[in-house]
Amino acid sequence: EPEVTQTPSHQVTQMGQEVILRCVPISNHLYFYWYRQILGQKVEFLVSFYNNEISEKSEIFDDQFSVERPDGSNFTLKIRSTKLEDSAMYFCASSEAGPRGELFFGEGSRLTVL
Amino acid sequence: GEDVEQSLFLSVREGDSSVINCTYTDSSSTYLYWYKQEPGAGLQLLTYIFSNMDMKQDQRLTVLLNKKDKHLSLRIADTQTGDSAIYFCAESTEDYKLSFGAGTTVTVRA
Repeated sequence: EPEVTQTPSHQVTQMGQEVILRCVPISNHLYFYWYRQILGQKVEFLVSFYNNEISEKSEIFDDQFSVERPDGSNFTLKIRSTKLEDSAMYFCASSEAGPRGELFFGEGSRLTVL
Repeated sequence: GEDVEQSLFLSVREGDSSVINCTYTDSSSTYLYWYKQEPGAGLQLLTYIFSNMDMKQDQRLTVLLNKKDKHLSLRIADTQTGDSAIYFCAESTEDYKLSFGAGTTVTVRA
């Protein structure tokens, strides 16, 4: 069964460092997303991406964050200068354009900022 | 704005039915979802319902939607130990952006 894959599964970084989280969406999907879940809190929407551009972003997604689809398969989230409060589980998701509305999530990348 | 509320905990005996409830505020929601998250794992889509439906059944899972009251429920029949997890209710509008509830931790006791 096709699935969304994410790397790394866990990354520890120092405050102020740049981090890139990688995702390989399901191959025929056209919409891509990043969500995050701070420990013990709700899963929050960060950004959606379609047709090689951001279609929507939340207030969390400030100038420190960027997304990119560098080739036909990868979808990346970059945090330019990490803060302690960026520590969270980051989930990538993808969906196929159409009425079924299924959003498939990856296993998540846990980011710990020290 | 969107707001999704769920009760935080549910304890159920193995073999009994579990019912997890959710309320949402956005009347323009098109899809409503139930996701399952096991410890340390990602979000697994269990089932979803389109907003013009009242009920959807899929094996042991039954979703009921009361659009007038903006109330969604998930019933798990014959609950098993493997059903222990956090269950998230989520709603979306046309652009598939999801708003999640805080999750209901379901504990199945023998």
